[in-house]
Amino acid sequence: GAVVSQHPSRVICKSGTSVKIECRSLDFQATTMFWYRQFPKQSLMLMATSNEGSKATYEQGVEKDKFLINHASLTLSTLTVTSAHPEDSSFYICSARDAGTAYEQYFGPGTRLTVT
Amino acid sequence: AQTVTQSQPEMSVQEAETVTLSCTYDTSESNYYLFWYKQPPSRQMILVIRQEAYKQQNATENRFSVNFQKAAKSFSLKISDSQLGDTAMYFCAFTSLIQGAQKLVFGQGTRLTINP
Repeated sequence: GAVVSQHPSRVICKSGTSVKIECRSLDFQATTMFWYRQFPKQSLMLMATSNEGSKATYEQGVEKDKFLINHASLTLSTLTVTSAHPEDSSFYICSARDAGTAYEQYFGPGTRLTVT
Repeated sequence: AQTVTQSQPEMSVQEAETVTLSCTYDTSESNYYLFWYKQPPSRQMILVIRQEAYKQQNATENRFSVNFQKAAKSFSLKISDSQLGDTAMYFCAFTSLIQGAQKLVFGQGTRLTINP
């Protein structure tokens, strides 16, 4: 149980284009989902927290107009990187919190974004 | 704001040995959860063990156990009979129980290598 999927696992896009990453909780309802960014050999950096049906809460320094987050259902959240630039290349990880368990977050396998 | 510190960037032990990873944290709260997550080369985050702050008994999961010292704000992870598959990045993480404050605060990580 408690499986979170991410799609795509890898994506390459051209500078200036937008790319959407999906995060799904497969066997539980996730009232809250989180988006992280991870640079090589570093820890996870929280970008934003999304609650189903409401606007995402972004961490300080994260551009909300660049990283659009939508949490339209209890099993799906999407992160759209708009007008991507090479510096947006990174590993993006989502997680979901099962409201029925004790504050644990279950993580997706991550998405490697490369902007050329 | 809460902070989590892992002072050992890298550790290396021989297979079957016991290894302890250190973690300290800072918070003014009395109720919270602490976690150890493992991130193998696949980069999938895996929950290793969880500790509720109100419990005095240290959590154990098979070969993994913690030494939770609440007054000292210390939360170390002990891996017994280490196996090659334990090779990974290990992250210590904290989450508050305050309503709405659901995000995980991660330490910098410790890269653990188990040598044959």
